[in-house]
Amino acid sequence: EVVLTQSPGTLSLSPGERATLSCRASQSVTGNFLAWYQHKPGQTPRLLIYDTSGRATGVPDRFSGSGSGTDFTLTIGRLEPEDFAVYYCQQYGNSPFSFGPGTKVDIK
Amino acid sequence: EVQLVESGGGLVKPGGSLRLSCAASGFTFSNAWMTWVRLAPGKGLEWVGRIKSRTAGGTTNYAAPVEGRFTISRDDSKNTLYLQMNSLKTEDTAVYYCATSLGQSGASHYWGQGTQVTVSS
Repeated sequence: EVVLTQSPGTLSLSPGERATLSCRASQSVTGNFLAWYQHKPGQTPRLLIYDTSGRATGVPDRFSGSGSGTDFTLTIGRLEPEDFAVYYCQQYGNSPFSFGPGTKVDIK
Repeated sequence: EVQLVESGGGLVKPGGSLRLSCAASGFTFSNAWMTWVRLAPGKGLEWVGRIKSRTAGGTTNYAAPVEGRFTISRDDSKNTLYLQMNSLKTEDTAVYYCATSLGQSGASHYWGQGTQVTVSS
């Protein structure tokens, strides 16, 4: 089973700043099949990035994904007020398709 | 418009059973690989399992905590996904979401609104 670790656990930033979130896998993610989701309390999770770097429909271009193998990154270019949320990575290269524990991005 | 609507959640005692449904519309359900994900109180997203399309074999995969207790199935004639949950434990308390990529990807592009399952005596 692939175990995902996300860092930091919490990221405190101001609007307009750049956010860099890390996701590390316990073994290489097959096909670099890695996704990033945004989740706000009381709302449905939202897919941001799939296949490491593909941007989902309607996702602003300030969100970008990169990485390969065991190390992946989600970058938010300039934080907007609506970007403060919890972000999860998920690998879907090998079953079970595990999620990371999440990174909370909150307002500094 | 893609729509996924879960139902069947509720309060159940430990050891009990519950069947969740997910009604799909706005896409060709029979081609879609479908997924269940849950969110327990104070915890993060947890992948529960998925079922492939019938043309891909209709096989299922499960997370370790639910393997042997939960069963995912589908009725393509009704455009409906199911999650049969048996031998429920308090730690199964969560909001359960159905989700899909519409195709064969494991990334979940579309999500339902979720249904609450509470396991408590």
